[in-house]
Amino acid sequence: ELKVEQNPLFLSMQEGKNYTIYCNYSTTSDRLYWYRQDPGKSLESLFVLLSNGAVKQEGRLMASLDTKARLSTLHITAAVHDLSATYFCAVAGPRSGGSNYKLTFGKGTLLTVNP
Amino acid sequence: NAGVTQTPKFQVLKTGQSMTLQCAQDMNHNSMYWYRQDPGMGLRLIYYSASEGTTDKGEVPNGYNVSRLNKREFSLRLESAAPSQTSVYFCASSELPASSYNSPLHFGNGTRLTVT
Repeated sequence: ELKVEQNPLFLSMQEGKNYTIYCNYSTTSDRLYWYRQDPGKSLESLFVLLSNGAVKQEGRLMASLDTKARLSTLHITAAVHDLSATYFCAVAGPRSGGSNYKLTFGKGTLLTVNP
Repeated sequence: NAGVTQTPKFQVLKTGQSMTLQCAQDMNHNSMYWYRQDPGMGLRLIYYSASEGTTDKGEVPNGYNVSRLNKREFSLRLESAAPSQTSVYFCASSELPASSYNSPLHFGNGTRLTVT
């Protein structure tokens, strides 16, 4: 059974600081996603990571994937208040056995950026 | 461009009542999903449909049934609601199967369900 662990679950940052959210998963996978959720809202796709060593950047957020370590990171550079949200990683099951369509989500990281 | 549309947005049920949550997507996606979100639990998969005509159980299927009515629509039914089913329910869709697999899930706005 695929398990996905995120840490930290809560993160309070000052504006201008850097930090990293970690996502570990337990079994082989070929796809990892990062999502953002604002309070009371739906989930918005941020990044899709498909291969070992993949790195994607959008503004102050950069995501990377190490499939050998089964680890993805979401790095925040010079945080601003607008980045306050809950961030989820989600991992797809392996292609065999029909589980590839299922995404297993981490519990989410609630990020608060303070002035 | 509506994307994924869920109805209703809010619902209050009494224990034992039944209801159906509706979901429709206009992106011609193949696969559709129902997740529930509870505080501190992330999102947990209830059922999914990899293609029209197929449905499969996810992590927490007990107490729910689904119907993939056609390619656009995927409904979730609670036959006899229980307080433990109080949650926010999200429907999602995806292009998968797709050759590139570069296809995130697109989520609806959610249904907030309270069972008293």
